[in-house]
Amino acid sequence: DAGVTQSPTHLIKTRGQHVTLRCSPISGHKSVSWYQQVLGQGPQFIFQYYEKEERGRGNFPDRFSARQFPNYSSELNVNALLLGDSALYLCASSGGQGMGNQPQHFGDGTRLSIL
Amino acid sequence: DAKTTQPTSMDCAEGRAANLPCNHSTISGNEYVYWYRQIHSQGPQYIIHGLKNNETNEMASLIITEDRKSSTLILPHATLRDTAVYYCIVRPEGGGSQGNLIFGKGTKLSVKP
Repeated sequence: DAGVTQSPTHLIKTRGQHVTLRCSPISGHKSVSWYQQVLGQGPQFIFQYYEKEERGRGNFPDRFSARQFPNYSSELNVNALLLGDSALYLCASSGGQGMGNQPQHFGDGTRLSIL
Repeated sequence: DAKTTQPTSMDCAEGRAANLPCNHSTISGNEYVYWYRQIHSQGPQYIIHGLKNNETNEMASLIITEDRKSSTLILPHATLRDTAVYYCIVRPEGGGSQGNLIFGKGTKLSVKP
């Protein structure tokens, strides 16, 4: 079975641009979460979506937004890119509403570099 | 902030058991203990989770102390491919922001020939 897939795998942008990252969850999973991982740190929670609605948000500025589609795939959008946005962006999916007893399964991420 | 404390790094000989400790002294009754690992340039891989009882699957065993204030992840026969950063995470039962994973810095496990 296919796991969580993310595209693109690598991306280079310049400051001030915007970017859209895409995620397809494991078949049957309805909850998608996004994380940011800067070099040398553990992943940090950005958003969680379930049934096309935002169910959780981490401590990130409004430049970050996301949405979930009827097929449960998701997009993460970042506007007005800053150098500090350079990171690995990870998508994770889980069954149900992402409750504590349901593991999240991660894709291999999109490596975003800002020049 | 992460609610867990792990050693920064550990070494293990290939073929031997790797025992990775984790302290979570402030864990609440409805919080699960999760373990993930991350091999360089890949996304975190789910290993195992538990609430109160010890758990075992094809990858590892999770031993949780009776007071739930600490746990140990056991890889019974470590191989070179088990070299990775291992994250111990406590996660509430609720969903949404409560259900997200809060990662610390983890333990860098190096399996040596």
